[in-house]
Amino acid sequence: AQSVTQLDSQVPVFEEAPVELRCNYSSSVSVYLFWYVQYPNQGLQLLLKYLSGSTLVKGINGFEAEFNKSQTSFHLRKPSVHISDTAEYFCAVSDKAAGNKLTFGGGTRVLVKP
Amino acid sequence: EAGVAQSPRYKIIEKRQSVAFWCNPISGHATLYWYQQILGQGPKLLIQFQNNGVVDDSQLPKDRFSAERLKGVDSTLKIQPAKLEDSAVYLCASSLDNEGRRNTQYFGPGTRLTVL
Repeated sequence: AQSVTQLDSQVPVFEEAPVELRCNYSSSVSVYLFWYVQYPNQGLQLLLKYLSGSTLVKGINGFEAEFNKSQTSFHLRKPSVHISDTAEYFCAVSDKAAGNKLTFGGGTRVLVKP
Repeated sequence: EAGVAQSPRYKIIEKRQSVAFWCNPISGHATLYWYQQILGQGPKLLIQFQNNGVVDDSQLPKDRFSAERLKGVDSTLKIQPAKLEDSAVYLCASSLDNEGRRNTQYFGPGTRLTVL
């Protein structure tokens, strides 16, 4: 069965500092990986996705993530955060063997401080 | 392009009452999903439709939850009777299809349910 672990439940960071959110997954060989962001009282917005090809994926709002197959990780990074990046971030995996069902991690709350 | 629409945005009910949520997916999306997101957790899939057929409802508490997708477009999720532990945000999502690259899911704003 597929699973996703987000190692940090909360990450405080100062404005303009870099941030990295860690995500590890357990699944079969062929996976698709996603990062979603959820602002307060809103639904999930797709930040970026890895389907195939280049392991470095660029998304919206300056975020990027790197797929590491050997370490089964898909960490999210941003070189310089803004106050507006304060939100909850969810990593998710979709596995063809599991019928392309999307499984989410528990989320990482990012709090950007001025 | 319009996104996934959901209503109502908020609902407060007493336990043992009934409640229904509505979802309108992105036009042309064949696959529709309902998720339950309990506070502090990631979303959990309740049910997945492909057009108007159910693909996966293995995590739907069928004694109290039901869902339908008539005509393969809009969908409703019902809880009858509600329990305190049903307090959560109910998210609807849709994707072009459920195969490979076409299964990227787009989410609606959610319905926040509070059961008192």
